[in-house]
Amino acid sequence: SQQGEEDPQALSIQEGENATMNCSYKTSINNLQWYRQNSGRGLVHLILIRSNEREKHSGRLRVTLDTSKKSSSLLITASRAADTASYFCATGPGGSNYKLTFGKGTLLTVNP
Amino acid sequence: DAGITQSPRHKVTETGTPVTLRCHQTENHRYMYWYRQDPGHGLRLIHYSYGVKDTDKGEVSDGYSVSRSKTEDFLLTLESATSSQTSVYFCAISESSGRATDTQYFGPGTRLTVL
Repeated sequence: SQQGEEDPQALSIQEGENATMNCSYKTSINNLQWYRQNSGRGLVHLILIRSNEREKHSGRLRVTLDTSKKSSSLLITASRAADTASYFCATGPGGSNYKLTFGKGTLLTVNP
Repeated sequence: DAGITQSPRHKVTETGTPVTLRCHQTENHRYMYWYRQDPGHGLRLIHYSYGVKDTDKGEVSDGYSVSRSKTEDFLLTLESATSSQTSVYFCAISESSGRATDTQYFGPGTRLTVL
C-alpha cells in the first residue's frame, strides 16, 4: 500500500509563479524525500528532510515537514518551463534501513 | 547520472515467455531495488537486495524472482510473463549507512510490453 499521497494530482502554472505540492503519510517516518521524474526518464533525488527537521532549502526548493500532521510540502519558487515534471514524495519508515515507499506523484506543468 | 544501466531498454514479448531484465551499477553500492511504475499506482517495490545473494520481497513480488551473484548486477526475472506485468521497470541503488535510509539513484527504466 502507498505510504505517501501527493496533492494535487496535477498542477498547471505559468512560468515565474510558485508551485506548491503536498504529501501526506500514515505511519512514523525516519525521513521524507522528494524526487522529480521527467517524462520517460528515471527519478532524480531532489531533497531529503529528516524527521527531526522542520524546513530545508536547496536552491529554489523549500521543503517543510510537520510530523504532528504527518505531512510535507514542496515549494518551487520562480518556476521555469524546465521544472515541468512529475514530483514524488517517498518516506523512509522508522526502523527500516533501506526501503522507501513512494506516493503516486504530482504532475507539474509550467507554461512558458 | 549515477552509473546505473538497465537492459534491455525496451522489450515486447508474449504471454507465457520468460523474461530477464538486468540492472548494472558501477557505484559499488550495497543496496539495489526493482520497482514497477504504472499509471495510477506510482512506483511500487518488487524486490530488493541488501548484498550479494541477499534479497527480499517488496509489496508486489508475486510472479517475479531476482538474483544477485555480484555486487554490480541485479537481475529481475518474470518466469512466465503475463499481460498484467506490462509496465515500466526501474532499478535503483543506494548506499544506506547507519540508521537512515539514504538517497536512491535510479536507472533509465525498461519498458516491457507483454502481448
